[in-house]
Amino acid sequence: QKEVEQDPGPLSVPEGAIVSLNCTYSNSAFQYFMWYRQYSRKGPELLMYTYSSGNKEDGRFTAQVDKSSKYISLFIRDSQPSDSATYLCAMSVGSYKLIFGSGTRLLVRP
Amino acid sequence: KAGVTQTPRYLIKTRGQQVTLSCSPISGHRSVSWYQQTPGQGLQFLFEYFSETQRNKGNFPGRFSGRQFSNSRSEMNVSTLELGDSALYLCASSPTWKLAGESKNIQYFGAGTRLSVL
Repeated sequence: QKEVEQDPGPLSVPEGAIVSLNCTYSNSAFQYFMWYRQYSRKGPELLMYTYSSGNKEDGRFTAQVDKSSKYISLFIRDSQPSDSATYLCAMSVGSYKLIFGSGTRLLVRP
Repeated sequence: KAGVTQTPRYLIKTRGQQVTLSCSPISGHRSVSWYQQTPGQGLQFLFEYFSETQRNKGNFPGRFSGRQFSNSRSEMNVSTLELGDSALYLCASSPTWKLAGESKNIQYFGAGTRLSVL
């Protein structure tokens, strides 16, 4: 079993939809949770960063961490075709070693 | 502020050869990490350097090595290349600071070096 599980998709939604992306994990020691966006042939771009539990909002993006359920989510409101990319969750226990999910491919249809 | 710069962007090598990849971190960042990304295994941690010292290491064979220079620039080397080493190699840099007791390890990635082993 992988430490971090993420549905690979693809997830196809119409423009303007609310997108929900999720990851589950098994290591209760994880404290730092991140979401990255990766466009084809580019490096991952940091979207959201959360320490411990709770919610964090930044523009159209909301990240949620539920440590009791070992479950993290990323919500994208008013999705745009430019949001079409692969979304990677990542987490760490505090060292600089990030454990990544396999990534969810998102397609936002115009 | 310039981002993380990786060179070269593309490399083609044959089995048995060795390769060296370079990474220049964001100015002021002292931690540099390396990751391998493949379609089958996803993003996997290789190692992390801080102040010219390797602090963390992933589960890769000894053919994979790295180093960091006094200006924080880093190189990784893969010797005796195998077909399975074909991948996107990503470098990430991180500032090191504490905020209200919380140590932040946000990592910023470069565009990567795509290595093809024939």
